[in-house]
Amino acid sequence: TQLLEQSPQFLSIQEGENLTVYCNSSSVFSSLQWYRQEPGEGPVLLVTVVTGGEVKKLKRLTFQFGDARKDSSLHITAAQPGDTGLYLCAGLLTDSWGKLQFGAGTQVVVTP
Amino acid sequence: KAGVTQTPRYLIKTRGQQVTLSCSPISGHRSVSWYQQTPGQGLQFLFEYFSETQRNKGNFPGRFSGRQFSNSRSEMNVSTLELGDSALYLCASRLGQGAGGEQFFGPGTRLTVL
Repeated sequence: TQLLEQSPQFLSIQEGENLTVYCNSSSVFSSLQWYRQEPGEGPVLLVTVVTGGEVKKLKRLTFQFGDARKDSSLHITAAQPGDTGLYLCAGLLTDSWGKLQFGAGTQVVVTP
Repeated sequence: KAGVTQTPRYLIKTRGQQVTLSCSPISGHRSVSWYQQTPGQGLQFLFEYFSETQRNKGNFPGRFSGRQFSNSRSEMNVSTLELGDSALYLCASRLGQGAGGEQFFGPGTRLTVL
């Protein structure tokens, strides 16, 4: 059983549409990171959120950390084919050193 | 600054053999973690090393072991390979010890056990 539940598991959208990926847990995290992974490669860090209620923007990507630090969301505006990939959320529990708890991932496919 | 490097990128072994994977962290990073990624289980934490000491361990059998050298490079070893050990093994490095700190992943080693 994974500590972080990601939804949806799969998203297929047209270029220009918006999408949101959710990451939920009953546990409190000291920080949460979002990664994107391409096939056969390692995850690439997109953002780290630390403070409850924090919102971070990275061009067309908006990341939010829940007030209680139990959930997070990733919103992509006007998706492009280059946004295609596996999106992973990963959280750090307090005093867990560097042990990241990963969600199962959301496969996003953006078609032209 | 060079990223995390892992060697080899691909490995094919047979059941019962053992394997050693290598990871070189980002220059200046002293913590190295290892993860196993499979389609069924996703990314699972194996262990983390800092200053040549294992600081944290996941729920894997004793066949999985690791070590870290004084230059922060790390190796992981899997003995008596099983078919279920086929996976992408990922190494991640971060700056220091303790909780927190962003982790940066290498490209992984794809292990296939026949």
